[in-house]
Amino acid sequence: GDSVTQMEGPVTLSEEAFLTINCTYTATGYPSLFWYVQYPGEGLQLLLKATKADDKGSNKGFEATYRKETTSFHLEKGSVQVSDSAVYFCALSDRGSNYKLTFGKGTLLTVNP
Amino acid sequence: DGGITQSPKYLFRKEGQNVTLSCEQNLNHDAMYWYRQDPGQGLRLIYYSQIVNDFQKGDIAEGYSVSREKKESFPLTVTSAQKNPTAFYLCASSIGRPGGAGIQPQHFGDGTRLSIL
Repeated sequence: GDSVTQMEGPVTLSEEAFLTINCTYTATGYPSLFWYVQYPGEGLQLLLKATKADDKGSNKGFEATYRKETTSFHLEKGSVQVSDSAVYFCALSDRGSNYKLTFGKGTLLTVNP
Repeated sequence: DGGITQSPKYLFRKEGQNVTLSCEQNLNHDAMYWYRQDPGQGLRLIYYSQIVNDFQKGDIAEGYSVSREKKESFPLTVTSAQKNPTAFYLCASSIGRPGGAGIQPQHFGDGTRLSIL
């Protein structure tokens, strides 16, 4: 079955530091990949997505590239802000799982001023 | 503004009691989903519905029930058979039926936190 593995948290950074959150996946088909963000007490918001190999999703300074050869979709941001503090979820969806979303366990990011 | 509305934000259940969580969307989405979120476990799919009057079990459906009588509404009932109901429940929706319009991202409500008295 499908699965998503993302780096264990929590991650604590100072403002303006570089962020990487690793995400790897296994899938029965050719999945679409997503990063979602959850701010405290709220639901999830789509941050970015990629639907085919070598696609780069980007939004709000965050980027992730769909790497089929390494089955990875790592999230990066060059300079984090305090407002980026949240839980980040990597997820995939493919035909083999009837297009249901499979989530990683989430990574808590705290950015200190 | 279009979106997904979950109510109530906080809910308390007594032992042996059924409770129903509301989820309404005005995005005209065909597909709707219910997830359960526990600390350190990510999100797990409870039920999903691709079209009105049809729904399928997800990975952890035991102790839960749903209905989909209207496109806009997908209520979740947590029954007394669910022995560990304390969690954060999230409802989501997406455009079209899975596979019909390609893989579309899911849009989430703000969640309902259920606790046992």
